[in-house]
This record gives sequence, structure tokens and C-alpha cells, in this order.
Amino acid sequence: GQNIDQPTEMTATEGAIVQINCTYQTSGFNGLFWYQQHAGEAPTFLSYNVLDGLEEKGRFSSFLSRSKGYSYLLLKELQMKDSASYLCAVSGAGSYQLTFGKGTKLSVIP
Amino acid sequence: EADIYQTPRYLVIGTGKKITLECSQTMGHDKMYWYQQDPGMELHLIHYSYGVNSTEKGDLSSESTVSRIRTEHFPLTLESARPSHTSQYLCASSEGPGVTNEQFFGPGTRLTVL
Repeated sequence: GQNIDQPTEMTATEGAIVQINCTYQTSGFNGLFWYQQHAGEAPTFLSYNVLDGLEEKGRFSSFLSRSKGYSYLLLKELQMKDSASYLCAVSGAGSYQLTFGKGTKLSVIP
Repeated sequence: EADIYQTPRYLVIGTGKKITLECSQTMGHDKMYWYQQDPGMELHLIHYSYGVNSTEKGDLSSESTVSRIRTEHFPLTLESARPSHTSQYLCASSEGPGVTNEQFFGPGTRLTVL
């Protein structure tokens, strides 16, 4: 089975940097995904990590340590529109299915 | 840009009714998925398909059924809806091996059973 943990809520100030952590325990590993989900909307893909290290994409970066079962999503220059839930999801070995964490609700305040 | 569609977007029905939630994608993806998500909760996989005539149950037990007669179409059916089925249902698709296997999501169907 798979178990994914991430903080329930976070608050950060507009223009600041925030790091959202995710830890996972899996019986196999084939990659880790981060999705953004605004309230009442569908998730949208942000990033994918399969090897250790940092992947950067504009204001968003994602880091993975497979040995530690740990990832984080880094959001820079926060904007009000970044207020959303951020979902960590893991793909198991030999599987196309994703197991999602409960998500971290980020509130960006002025 | 993802081209995956779900209808209806909102549905309010009475207990005991049979309903079908539609999901179609125009990306030619082999793999399709149905998730159930209650407000503020995580997505739970209830069904998936790796191709035509292939369907499997997901991690969360569901009384719904699915079919995959065409690549682009993956409908979900509830034979007799109950209030416990009230939830948001999200359909997704992905391309498969050799790529990131990113899943693209449809806009969802918000179902309320009275």
C-alpha cells in the first residue's frame, strides 16, 4: 500500500516564498506528481519528479529524495491566485495509477 | 491543452434513480480513470481502464460500474443512486509509458442524491 502525508493548511504572504512538504511510504515507486486544485475545480498538473533533485518550472520548483521518501513544492513570488490546494501524488512501481495525499490548502494573504 | 469533457457538470436526482456520468477525451489516451472526491478530502480512485474492453476497480470500493467500448469514452453508471453517492466525480486520462504519465482531469460532475 501507499501512505502520503502533507500538512493540512498553510498561510503565506503575497510576494513571499512557501515550501509545501510531502512524505510518502510506498511498496514501489515510479514517480511523484504535484497538482494544483482551486476550490470546486479539477486538479491541474504542476510538476513530476522521478529522479532525485530539483525540477524548476518558472515560479514553481519541486524536489525529490527517493531514499528519504520526501518531496517538497516551492512556490516563489506568491500571488493571490496561488491560493489553492496542492496535492502530492505517487505512482507505484509498474502502475499508471496515482495515490493522492489529502492536499495542503494554501492561503495567500496581502 | 487537455481535451477531456464531462457531462453533466451538476446533477441533482432522487434516490433510486439510474444515472450515467459521461466522460470523453480527444487526446487518444489509452488510460482513463474515475476518482471520487468529497469536499476538502483527497481523491480516491474508484475505476480505471488501460484500454478498450479493459476495466478494473480502484482502491475505493464503489457501487458504480464503468465500460470502455471506445478509446475516447469512459462512462460511469450508478444503477440505483443513494444519498451516500453524493460527491464530486472526476474523470482523468493519461498517455502511458515513455512519458511522465501525467493525468489530465476533466472539470468534474458534482452529484447530489436527495
